[in-house]
Amino acid sequence: EPEVTQTPSHQVTQMGQEVILRCVPISNHLYFYWYRQILGQKVEFLVSFYNNEISEKSEIFDDQFSVERPDGSNFTLKIRSTKLEDSAMYFCASSPQGFSSPLHFGNGTRLTVT
Amino acid sequence: SQQGEEDPQALSIQEGENATMNCSYKTSINNLQWYRQNSGRGLVHLILIRSNEREKHSGRLRVTLDTSKKSSSLLITASRAADTASYFCATIRGGADGLTFGKGTHLIIQP
Repeated sequence: EPEVTQTPSHQVTQMGQEVILRCVPISNHLYFYWYRQILGQKVEFLVSFYNNEISEKSEIFDDQFSVERPDGSNFTLKIRSTKLEDSAMYFCASSPQGFSSPLHFGNGTRLTVT
Repeated sequence: SQQGEEDPQALSIQEGENATMNCSYKTSINNLQWYRQNSGRGLVHLILIRSNEREKHSGRLRVTLDTSKKSSSLLITASRAADTASYFCATIRGGADGLTFGKGTHLIIQP
């Protein structure tokens, strides 16, 4: 069964550094998402992406964050200048028909900002 | 309270017993989804129930939806140790929140 893959599985970075988290969504899906989960807390929506543009973004997704689909397969989340509070699991997801269809999640990237 | 709020927060039962988890939400919905998360892993979609459906089954899972009470339940029958996980309901609250997850029910199946 096709799956969403995320790399790296773990990323450690220093405060103020830029990080790029990578995702390969399921190939025939049209909608892509990033969520994050701070340890022990809820899964929080960051952004949704469709037709090469952001369709929705939460208050968390401020100017420090950006997303890109640089080619036909990858979907990336960039955090420009990381803060300690950015430490979390970041999950990529994709779906065929937006939120009216199931989301397929990757196994996440654990980001640790020191 | 929050959209898509599950209860109980934690549930521990013996293998073979049934587990029931509940979800309440605030606003009108088009659909409600249930997901499972094993520790340290991504969420796995279990069932999507649409607002015009009242009940849906998938293997040992049964989901009900009561739109008049704005609530849903997930029943896992004949539980197994492998069912140990956190279970989340998810809805679209409106605004720019995407698919919103609750805090989840942490289910532990005792062998």
